[in-house]
Amino acid sequence: AQSVAQPEDQVNVAEGNPLTVKCTYSVSGNPYLFWYVQYPNRGLQFLLKYITGDNLVKGSYGFEAEFNKSQTSFHLKKPSALVSDSALYFCAVRADRGSTLGRLYFGRGTQLTVWP
Amino acid sequence: DVKVTQSSRYLVKRTGEKVFLECVQDMDHENMFWYRQDPGLGLRLIYFSYDVKMKEKGDIPEGYSVSREKKERFSLILESASTNQTSMYLCASSGAGTGAYNEQFFGPGTRLTVL
Repeated sequence: AQSVAQPEDQVNVAEGNPLTVKCTYSVSGNPYLFWYVQYPNRGLQFLLKYITGDNLVKGSYGFEAEFNKSQTSFHLKKPSALVSDSALYFCAVRADRGSTLGRLYFGRGTQLTVWP
Repeated sequence: DVKVTQSSRYLVKRTGEKVFLECVQDMDHENMFWYRQDPGLGLRLIYFSYDVKMKEKGDIPEGYSVSREKKERFSLILESASTNQTSMYLCASSGAGTGAYNEQFFGPGTRLTVL
C-alpha cells in the first residue's frame, strides 16, 4: 500500500532562516514524489517532483527537495524563508506500477508559518 | 497555462438536496480526480476517472457518484446531501500514457456547506 507521512502539523520559522518540511513515504516499487502548496482559499499548486536522477530536486519559488531512498524521505527545503512562504504544504507519492497508476497519495499537510 | 475550473467557489445547500459539482479542464488530460479536504485529514480521494465513461472508487466514495460523459468534464454528484458532506471539494486532472508521472493540476476548489 502507498502512504505518506508528514510528521509535523505545523512548522514555524523566522524570515531569512532556512526551512525544512518533512515527508516520509511508503510505496510498492519505485516512488514518484511531489510537493504541493496551498494558499488560503485556493487550490493546490505544484512545486516540484522527483521521478529519477539527481536526489536534489529544484522547484518553484526557490524550493528544493532531497530524495533519500534509504530513509524513504523527501523533505522540502528552502535556504532563506519569506513571510510569503506561509501556507499549507502537501507531500504526495505515486507508485510506478499497478492498477492505480494515476492516483496520488497525499500526506495530511504541514502548515508553515514564517514570522517577520 | 493548464486550467482546471470548478463551477462554484462557494455553495450552500440543504440536507437531502441533490448537488452537482462540475469540473472542466482544458488540457486534454485523460485522468480526472475528485478530492475532499477537511482540516487535519488532508486530501481524501473520492472518485477518479481514466477515460470517458470510466470511473474508479477512491477511498471515500460513499454518498457520492460521478459522471464523465466528455473528456474535459468530470462531475461529482451528491445524491442526497448530508451535513457531514460539508467540506472543501477539489478537482484535479493529469495526463497519462508515457507521462504517467505527470503532476496533477488542481482547480480552485468548491467550499460546500450543507445545512
